[in-house]
Amino acid sequence: AQTVTQSQPEMSVQEAETVTLSCTYDTSESNYYLFWYKQPPSRQMILVIRQEAYKQQNATENRFSVNFQKAAKSFSLKISDSQLGDTAMYFCAFNTNAGKSTFGDGTTLTVKP
Amino acid sequence: DGGITQSPKYLFRKEGQNVTLSCEQNLNHDAMYWYRQDPGQGLRLIYYSQIVNDFQKGDIAEGYSVSREKKESFPLTVTSAQKNPTAFYLCASSMSWGLAVNTDTQYFGPGTRLTVL
Repeated sequence: AQTVTQSQPEMSVQEAETVTLSCTYDTSESNYYLFWYKQPPSRQMILVIRQEAYKQQNATENRFSVNFQKAAKSFSLKISDSQLGDTAMYFCAFNTNAGKSTFGDGTTLTVKP
Repeated sequence: DGGITQSPKYLFRKEGQNVTLSCEQNLNHDAMYWYRQDPGQGLRLIYYSQIVNDFQKGDIAEGYSVSREKKESFPLTVTSAQKNPTAFYLCASSMSWGLAVNTDTQYFGPGTRLTVL
């Protein structure tokens, strides 16, 4: 069975600073996909960034980047130049080739002015 | 505009009643999913469908049922057998299943909040 662990239930960061959210996972699959989703107070789930396990290069999307360590089964999200609009719950998720998804319990991030 | 719609936004159910949550997508996606989210927790997979007229149980399917008669629609029925149905329900869809990260990426609807009275 796949598991996803987000060890930081809550985090806060000052506006314009950088914050890293951690995620570890466990699987016996060799190929899989990893995602970070953002859920603001509206509760709409929004894709932040995605990564294929066979790609060694870390994905980046503007101010968002990941540190993917396949051997350690770690997939952390770095948010640079944090903005007030980044305040949300962030979920790490894992998809196998069979399409089944497993989500972590989330990290609530608060960006302070 | 292409997207996923869920209705109603809020739903109240009396104990012993069945209720159906609607999920419609106009993205021409093959795969659709239903998740349950409890307060302070992540998403748990209820049912998923790879293609029309086919669906599989997820991790917490007991007390729920689905149908997939049309590509764009994937309704979820919460039956009286579901003992603790109060939760936030999210529907998602993806272009494909098990092919590539960009086509397997799931996109979500706005959710339905179900409360048992």
